[in-house]
Parts: sequence; structure tokens; C-alpha cells
Amino acid sequence: AQSVAQPEDQVNVAEGNPLTVKCTYSVSGNPYLFWYVQYPNRGLQFLLKYITGDNLVKGSYGFEAEFNKSQTSFHLKKPSALVSDSALYFCAVRDPYNQGGKLIFGQGTELSVKP
Amino acid sequence: NAGVTQTPKFRVLKTGQSMTLLCAQDMNHEYMYWYRQDPGMGLRLIHYSVGEGTTAKGEVPDGYNVSRLKKQNFLLGLESAAPSQTSVYFCASSWGPGEAWEQYFGPGTRLTVT
Repeated sequence: AQSVAQPEDQVNVAEGNPLTVKCTYSVSGNPYLFWYVQYPNRGLQFLLKYITGDNLVKGSYGFEAEFNKSQTSFHLKKPSALVSDSALYFCAVRDPYNQGGKLIFGQGTELSVKP
Repeated sequence: NAGVTQTPKFRVLKTGQSMTLLCAQDMNHEYMYWYRQDPGMGLRLIHYSVGEGTTAKGEVPDGYNVSRLKKQNFLLGLESAAPSQTSVYFCASSWGPGEAWEQYFGPGTRLTVT
């Protein structure tokens, strides 16, 4: 079965430091991977996706993610965290067997960036 | 361009009552989705639609019905609400087949069933 795991419920980072939010996946075939961010009382916003090609994907707000096929990981990174990056982050994988483009989400990681 | 909108934003129901949540998108997207979000469980797909007049079940369809009579609208119905349906409901849409198009989400509806 396809699945996504975010091993950390919460990540705490000081402003200006690099941040990493971890994601591992299990899927048959080639994975299509996504990162979304959710600010309080808002819907999810798309950050970036990996379909094929370069393993380092750049997205919105200075975020990037590294696809590692051998470790089945897709970690989200940012070189210098901002207080405004504090939010809930979701990793997702597209179910390759679902014609509707169904996404399977991880449980989310709360990122807290302190001044 | 409003994107994906949802009405209402908040609702409180008594057990057994019914209601309909409306989702509308103005991006001409083919695919639309209804999710529920519960603490610690991420988002779970309730129902989805791959085009006007079509619907399909997701992971957690029981207790919900949907309709897609117009391409831009996707309705989620609760015929007899239960406390277990207390949740935040999100609608999303995407272009559809082919590339792995990202989904665009609405702002959510917070539903409480007492």
C-alpha cells in the first residue's frame, strides 16, 4: 500500500538557522511527491513537487526539497528559517493506481521558528 | 480570480441533522476533491470527481454523499450527522489527468456535531 511518513510531529528552529522537515514514502513505481504548507485557520498551499529529473527541487518562499530514491525520502529544506515559516507542513505522494490523482498525506509536522 | 471557495466557513449541527457544504472553483479544473482533516491524521480523502457528472469514493466515504452537476461546483452532503463527523473539511481542485498537477485548496469548513 502507498504511504507517507513524517517522523517528527514538531520541529523547532532558531530564526536564521537552516531547517529540515523529514518525509519518507512507500509507493509502487515512480513517485510523484509534494509538499504543502498550512498556516493557522487556512487551507493548504502548494510549495513544490517532484515528478522526474533533478533530485533537488526548488519551490515557493525559498523552500527546496531533495529527492533520494535509495532512501525513499523527500526532505523539505530551507537554508535560513524565518519566523513567518512557522506553520504545519504536509508531505504527500500521488497514488499511482488512482485515476483521480489522489494524494496520500503524511500526518503533518509543526514547524516552529523562534526569533 | 477567487480560486477555490467554500461555504459555509463554520457550522454547528445536532446529531441527526443534515447539511450541504458547497465548493466552487473558477480555474476551469476538471478534478475536484473533498478531504477531512483531523488532528494527527493528516488529510483523508472522502470523495472525488474527475469531471462534471462523475463522482468516486475515497478513503472515508461512509456517511457522506457528493454531487458534481456543474464543472465548477462540488457539493458534499451529510444526510444524518454524527459526532464522529466533527472535523475540518477541505475542498481542492486540480487540472486533471496527465502530469501530476498540484491541488489547490479552499479555506476549509469547520464543522462541529453535538
